Amino acid sequence: DAGITQSPRYKITETGRQVTLMCHQTWSHSYMFWYRQDLGHGLRLIYYSAAADITDKGEVPDGYVVSRSKTENFPLTLESATRSQTSVYFCASSRTGGNQPQHFGDGTRLSIL
Amino acid sequence: GNSVTQMEGPVTLSEEAFLTINCTYTATGYPSLFWYVQYPGEGLQLLLKATKADDKGSNKGFEATYRKETTSFHLEKGSVQVSDSAVYFCALPNDYKLSFGAGTTVTVRA
Repeated sequence: DAGITQSPRYKITETGRQVTLMCHQTWSHSYMFWYRQDLGHGLRLIYYSAAADITDKGEVPDGYVVSRSKTENFPLTLESATRSQTSVYFCASSRTGGNQPQHFGDGTRLSIL
Repeated sequence: GNSVTQMEGPVTLSEEAFLTINCTYTATGYPSLFWYVQYPGEGLQLLLKATKADDKGSNKGFEATYRKETTSFHLEKGSVQVSDSAVYFCALPNDYKLSFGAGTTVTVRA
């Protein structure tokens, strides 16, 4: 039962660099989500995807890009990292949207210097 | 859209104390309700859920009852342990997504 895995667990990079966070799930869940978690802001949805090749913006999408060419993978790319994107990023998946619970990965702690 | 309001923390308790974390919701219809727990350095884990009014979700000694009359889903545990120290989130569906409460940090002292 591999579940949902995120990589890397920790990343340090510099402003202006591109960085990609990976997310892989083994359940064949239709929906996948990216959140960021910051003190004082709780969990904020960045992007989500209802199926392969279908993605949509969440609350805070600016500065991020996603793709979903395969059901099991949902990478998140920061095209030109800024210090304000220093955060802990969580990927989640659910069998369907709506009333189904989401299952979370262990997160990527990203620091941008 | 649907939303939850969760009791803010932090909450500090002694072992074997009773824990209550309040959560109220605003929703169209009768969506499922969830409690998640986040231990230090980890992602959120589903703690319990309830799918309809008067349902009681339970897990690891925690309980929450889906109260339609008071639009509440309070989390309770009768005797907490140090290992229950974590952040707790109330959540409910909002379109295809989940709306989360702000989270309540619980610290249990030995």
